[in-house]
Amino acid sequence: QVYLVQSGGGVVRPGGSLRVSCEASGFTFSGYGMHWVRQGPGKGLEWVAFIRYDGRNKYYADSVKGRFTISRDNSENTVYLQMNRLQAEDTAVYYCAKDQTPKFYYDASGYYYGPDNWGQGTLVTVSS
Amino acid sequence: QSALTQPASVSGSPGQSITISCTGSSRDVGAYNYVSWYQQHPGKAPKLMIYEVSWRPSGVSNRFSGSKSGITASLTISGLQAEDEADYYCSSYTTSSTLEFGGGTKLTVL
Repeated sequence: QVYLVQSGGGVVRPGGSLRVSCEASGFTFSGYGMHWVRQGPGKGLEWVAFIRYDGRNKYYADSVKGRFTISRDNSENTVYLQMNRLQAEDTAVYYCAKDQTPKFYYDASGYYYGPDNWGQGTLVTVSS
Repeated sequence: QSALTQPASVSGSPGQSITISCTGSSRDVGAYNYVSWYQQHPGKAPKLMIYEVSWRPSGVSNRFSGSKSGITASLTISGLQAEDEADYYCSSYTTSSTLEFGGGTKLTVL
């Protein structure tokens, strides 16, 4: 059974910073890429970032590029999202999610399929 | 505005079938068979229902099926049940090595 337990949300002022975390269990964490996906109030899902299983490749949505950083610690089975220069439009529930793609396939193709298992979500509110 | 276009809402009666479309472009849906579909009930995390266009994860009902033609992917739910009422999202890998989601479709079971 895959478990993704998130922590670190809260209220932050515009221009501020926040880090959210996601601790994984139930699978070989170091063998899978990880995503962050967000959902604004009453809105749809928006992909934020992906990190390769070993952290060597990272990809970001244009809306967060240069402000957000995804990272991981495979010794702690944890993925992080560091959010800087936060804006009101970053207010959302942030989900971490495990990617579907097995390591061997990602190594062979360079492609990833998308999330399968999701965390419970953590609310980040940017407000003065 | 989402890069993948879905109808905002669809509806059907119990027992009927419905189809939700997801239209992209040659840089996403049309380029790869890496289309997934997610079901999300209010206040809950999304759940993977279909991956790689047409494959069902273990535990997902065979009433859910997926397909793709060109730049449009589709999710079909047959034998509609009350518990199918939820929001549904498609996603696709892109030629920029990013992921995109559709805007979501609200399914109402009448």
